[in-house]
Amino acid sequence: KNEVEQSPQNLTAQEGEFITINCSYSVGISALHWLQQHPGGGIVSLFMLSSGKKKHGRLIATINIQEKHSSLHITASHPRDSAVYICAVSPRGQGAQKLVFGQGTRLTINP
Amino acid sequence: EPEVTQTPSHQVTQMGQEVILRCVPISNHLYFYWYRQILGQKVEFLVSFYNNEISEKSEIFDDQFSVERPDGSNFTLKIRSTKLEDSAMYFCASSEWGPAAEAFFGQGTRLTVV
Repeated sequence: KNEVEQSPQNLTAQEGEFITINCSYSVGISALHWLQQHPGGGIVSLFMLSSGKKKHGRLIATINIQEKHSSLHITASHPRDSAVYICAVSPRGQGAQKLVFGQGTRLTINP
Repeated sequence: EPEVTQTPSHQVTQMGQEVILRCVPISNHLYFYWYRQILGQKVEFLVSFYNNEISEKSEIFDDQFSVERPDGSNFTLKIRSTKLEDSAMYFCASSEWGPAAEAFFGQGTRLTVV
């Protein structure tokens, strides 16, 4: 079983729609990261969360530590938001010196 | 804005050859990582490095792999005898105080073994 599961795997939406990507994890963590991977392959950090909620522009990330669940929301989506969004966790305890990645959610926003 | 730089961006090598992938982490960061992503798969951890030594490595990181910080700025990943299955995108990352800190990734090196 994967330690980090994302849903959906693929998401296609129209410009302007509200987008939600979900991430569930099965291990204790010290932090959860949301990352963006563009078609060229480069990875950019969007958020790092250990509790609550963070907002940056049209992006909002939330985490519920008790339920081991996080969501990434995009408001007023735009074609330039098209990318793969990856959830990754920093495990607590043994194996703590790394990030464990989900499989990613491929988001396509059509004009 | 400071960034992690990786060279080369793309490397093609013959099976059995040695390759060295290079990374320059952000200067005040203390933790360094190599990850890889086989085409169509998720990103996988290879190794973490702190205080001039490996702090953790995965099962993938066998005797064919090694890392080095030769001069205080570069961080290299060496694959001694490449196999076809080593073909992947290799990402270097660094963070200020550990994996719970924000991670900064390089643009990746696409390694193709033929």
